[in-house]
Amino acid sequence: NAGVTQTPKFRVLKTGQSMTLLCAQDMNHEYMYWYRQDPGMGLRLIHYSVGEGTTAKGEVPDGYNVSRLKKQNFLLGLESAAPSQTSVYFCASIPAGLGSGTDTQYFGPGTRLTVL
Amino acid sequence: GDSVTQMEGPVTLSEEAFLTINCTYTATGYPSLFWYVQYPGEGLQLLLKATKADDKGSNKGFEATYRKETTSFHLEKGSVQVSDSAVYFCALSDRSGNQFYFGTGTSLTVIP
Repeated sequence: NAGVTQTPKFRVLKTGQSMTLLCAQDMNHEYMYWYRQDPGMGLRLIHYSVGEGTTAKGEVPDGYNVSRLKKQNFLLGLESAAPSQTSVYFCASIPAGLGSGTDTQYFGPGTRLTVL
Repeated sequence: GDSVTQMEGPVTLSEEAFLTINCTYTATGYPSLFWYVQYPGEGLQLLLKATKADDKGSNKGFEATYRKETTSFHLEKGSVQVSDSAVYFCALSDRSGNQFYFGTGTSLTVIP
């Protein structure tokens, strides 16, 4: 098992450009999450998905869109990048719903994004 | 809303020193509590967890006890090693929803 993988590992964008970050997991997990990590602020939830074809907003969803067309993939899109979106982005997944005893998150290695 | 407050760092300790990183939480219901560790350049890894009051999570010499009366989940280790140098995050999962809440992280450096 590769676990949770993220593509790309690094990216530099100019303001106004768009891009898509890919998260893939091969553990058949139901729930997937996108976080951003900024200095002094820990991890903040952007969007999450509780199953194929579903998405929901987290704490900081503005400026991002997501899609979960396949169970194993969770895409994070930036339609018009801004310098405030410079961050490290982490994807995570869990096997099933919270309270089921399987709520340990598995994290990807991260994507470092710089917006100039 | 739910939240986690974590001891600010950075923390610098000598090898074999005792470690405590404080974590308190605010939550409705009965959350699960976690400590995650992040080594340089990597994603977060689960260190330990506790799912109900008075449970003690432990792993690799680290321990934390779920204290409902003080809403705390402090991380401790009796003798730290250089290899423990990392950033530690306290977190909770909201059992009434689908979200996790993380503290801001505490950077630990252990010097020989």
